[in-house]
Amino acid sequence: SQQGEEDPQALSIQEGENATMNCSYKTSINNLQWYRQNSGRGLVHLILIRSNEREKHSGRLRVTLDTSKKSSSLLITASRAADTASYFCATGSGGSYIPTFGRGTSLIVHP
Amino acid sequence: NAGVTQTPKFQVLKTGQSMTLQCAQDMNHEYMSWYRQDPGMGLRLIHYSVGAGITDQGEVPNGYNVSRSTTEDFPLRLLSAAPSQTSVYFCASKPGGGETQYFGPGTRLLVL
Repeated sequence: SQQGEEDPQALSIQEGENATMNCSYKTSINNLQWYRQNSGRGLVHLILIRSNEREKHSGRLRVTLDTSKKSSSLLITASRAADTASYFCATGSGGSYIPTFGRGTSLIVHP
Repeated sequence: NAGVTQTPKFQVLKTGQSMTLQCAQDMNHEYMSWYRQDPGMGLRLIHYSVGAGITDQGEVPNGYNVSRSTTEDFPLRLLSAAPSQTSVYFCASKPGGGETQYFGPGTRLLVL
């Protein structure tokens, strides 16, 4: 079963607005990653945050992690039409070699 | 580097037919995995391998076989295709000491 669950399932915003999507998970993790999937393509890694980190930035991306609430959020600032994609969180646990993916959030950014 | 490659890009099968989805990586990654992606279900792990000669089952292994005779290749075999196996299949690899997965472009499979 999926470890991470993204929320919302779908998000529609205008270019220039910020997009926030959340990921909740059930068991302890070592790290949490966010991936992007453009339509008809494979997933591309965006950012990784470790369990001992609370916040991480990469360009227009900001990821937070709250291990007490077992949740993470991905913020995309000043969104662009090219950000239109599905976004997945993936959790890595100590006993697992392969990360577990959630169902994803579909983001549409209107020009 | 070509990264992770998958063939074919698209395949139509009839129920009961068999086929092999190919996956290869040229990054010398130890770990390789197969996922299927269905609408509303996200990615579900089918099988994975932690090195040549070592494979294990994921969340949804039934109806699929894998083998890993070399570091580079990780084929996925459907022995007797069923309509429930209609999906998009992704292969991924990652280095043994790393967390980031590198995905192939996917294979769209339609089973009639």
